[in-house]
Amino acid sequence: QVQLVQSGAEVRKPGASVRVACQGSGYRFTDFYIHWVRQAPGHGLEWMAWIMPGSGVTRYAPKFQGRITVSRDTSISTAYMDVRKLKSDDTAMYYCAATYFYGMDVWGQGTTVIVSS
Amino acid sequence: SSELTQPPSVSVAPGQTATITCSGDALPEENTYWFQQRPGQAPVLLIYKDTQRPSGIPERFSGSISGTTATLTISGVQAEDEADYYCQSADSSSTYRVFGGGTKLTAL
Repeated sequence: QVQLVQSGAEVRKPGASVRVACQGSGYRFTDFYIHWVRQAPGHGLEWMAWIMPGSGVTRYAPKFQGRITVSRDTSISTAYMDVRKLKSDDTAMYYCAATYFYGMDVWGQGTTVIVSS
Repeated sequence: SSELTQPPSVSVAPGQTATITCSGDALPEENTYWFQQRPGQAPVLLIYKDTQRPSGIPERFSGSISGTTATLTISGVQAEDEADYYCQSADSSSTYRVFGGGTKLTAL
């Protein structure tokens, strides 16, 4: 079946970096956008970026431009999001989502990132 | 502006109809999507391209658009529909995506 599986929870200190991985299976990974969305505890969904895996083209929300990088490795059907200079308010659940058929209709299970000294 | 505005909460008695609105300047030009998120779970797509329902989504969920306001209607609300609901669209250049602030639906 079509699914996205994300990497496990991470704990980082302020100022550090983190990489979250998102592996697709059950479909042609290169053909569908991957979006990154985060949700801080008790808050709503926040769109961060998208990547078109086939071309590698990316777009970032202005808020995150310069502090995050989205990439992919098509040989293993995996997208990555790197977040640098972490702050405490980056503590959140990070999701990847694919626009497979209707829109953001396939979601990963989420990756918890905790930023704490 | 690419902001989307939703009411923070909506309450409705079970069996009644709930309406959740989403306002944004770009909505006349950009498609609106609606998601349901239950506690501790990833969001689920309910409506795409303003009014379309993915396969597997119950018919009681419907979407509509009028000018700068999109609406999610849930007919015959059930207890299991208690969740957070988010609208999502794009900026006027179709470059960025944006979510509304979310609406918590309570079935009284």
